[in-house]
Amino acid sequence: AQSVTQPDIHITVSEGASLELRCNYSYGATPYLFWYVQSPGQGLQLLLKYFSGDTLVQGIKGFEAEFKRSQSSFNLRKPSVHWSDAAEYFCAVAKTSYDKVIFGPGTSLSVIP
Amino acid sequence: DAGVIQSPRHEVTEMGQEVTLRCKPISGHNSLFWYRQTMMRGLELLIYFNNNVPIDDSGMPEDRFSAKMPNASFSTLKIQPSEPRDSAVYFCASSLWDRTYEQYFGPGTRLTVT
Repeated sequence: AQSVTQPDIHITVSEGASLELRCNYSYGATPYLFWYVQSPGQGLQLLLKYFSGDTLVQGIKGFEAEFKRSQSSFNLRKPSVHWSDAAEYFCAVAKTSYDKVIFGPGTSLSVIP
Repeated sequence: DAGVIQSPRHEVTEMGQEVTLRCKPISGHNSLFWYRQTMMRGLELLIYFNNNVPIDDSGMPEDRFSAKMPNASFSTLKIQPSEPRDSAVYFCASSLWDRTYEQYFGPGTRLTVT
């Protein structure tokens, strides 16, 4: 069965600092991997996706993520965090593009001025 | 498009009462998902539909929960009888059937059962 772990429950960074959120997945084949963001009081929004090919994928809002098969990881990064990036971030996995998505537990990001 | 519409946005009810949550997916989307979010359990998929047919309801907690999708533009999630442990935010999301990763979430219904 597929599963997703996000080792960090909560992270605090200073505005302008770089950010990396960790994600590890468990799946036998090459999975479809995603990052979603949930701003306070709202539903989730897709940030970026990885299916195959280039292991570094770009998303919206200046985010990127890197797929590392050897480490079963799909970490999310941003070079310079803005206060508006404070939110909950979910890593997710699916078997195909038409299967249900399995979400990780989420990492809460706080940004201090 | 107005996006995914959920109603009500907030619901407070007493234990034992029936609760019905409603969702209108984005027009043209043929997959619909119901999630429950709590601090303790995170985001849980309860059930999802493709073309109005339930595909996977393995996340439905127990018989007190039921979901229907009578047509492409409407779905309900019903809890009967409700219990305090059902208190959570319930999200509905929709997508195209072959892009289920690109789900558009509604604003959620915050349910409080006292």
